[in-house]
Amino acid sequence: EAGVTQFPSHSVIEKGQTVTLRCDPISGHDNLYWYRRVMGKEIKFLLHFVKESKQDESGMPNNRFLAERTGGTYSTLKVQPAELEDSGVYFCASSQVWGEAFFGQGTRLTV
Amino acid sequence: EDQVTQSPEALRLQEGESSSLNCSYTVSGLRGLFWYRQDPGKGPEFLFTLYSAGEEKEKERLKATLTKKESFLHITAPKPEDSATYLCAVQNQAGTALIFGKGTTLSVSS
Repeated sequence: EAGVTQFPSHSVIEKGQTVTLRCDPISGHDNLYWYRRVMGKEIKFLLHFVKESKQDESGMPNNRFLAERTGGTYSTLKVQPAELEDSGVYFCASSQVWGEAFFGQGTRLTV
Repeated sequence: EDQVTQSPEALRLQEGESSSLNCSYTVSGLRGLFWYRQDPGKGPEFLFTLYSAGEEKEKERLKATLTKKESFLHITAPKPEDSATYLCAVQNQAGTALIFGKGTTLSVSS
């Protein structure tokens, strides 16, 4: 069974540019989560989808971040325009059961 | 406010030297406590879920236990391949997200 897949694995962009991260969850997992780890800090929640609906987006830093989940399958996280403080590792996770989430390898974003 | 604190931040062990990692938590109504392992450059890998005080789970050299205020991850006779960062997390009140601690980085030398 394929795991959670994220791409790109690395992205280096200039301040003010746009970046789109993609996540393919494990097939059949209705729950999809985005998390972020900024250097030196703990992994922090960004948002949670149940199928195509946003269940909780309380962790999204500001309106420069936009997440979508097309047809309840893959998800994208767009940052526009990117700022220096957006640098970090962005993780996607999916689950069938609350909490027992399976994580992707992450996308390292450098702004 | 829901919070997770892990200690120590880093731990160095000799192969075969058993020890424990601590995770203390503050949450209104525990819905689940989770342990993950993370290797460099990879995402967290799920290890255990604990739901109620007194519960224990085991996997190979790892055993996780839970009390009303903290959880321990006991490592028995560790091997170099156990070297990783171990993360503890609890579900938030709404049950929609995990709240992570900063992790304990374990290094096991032969």
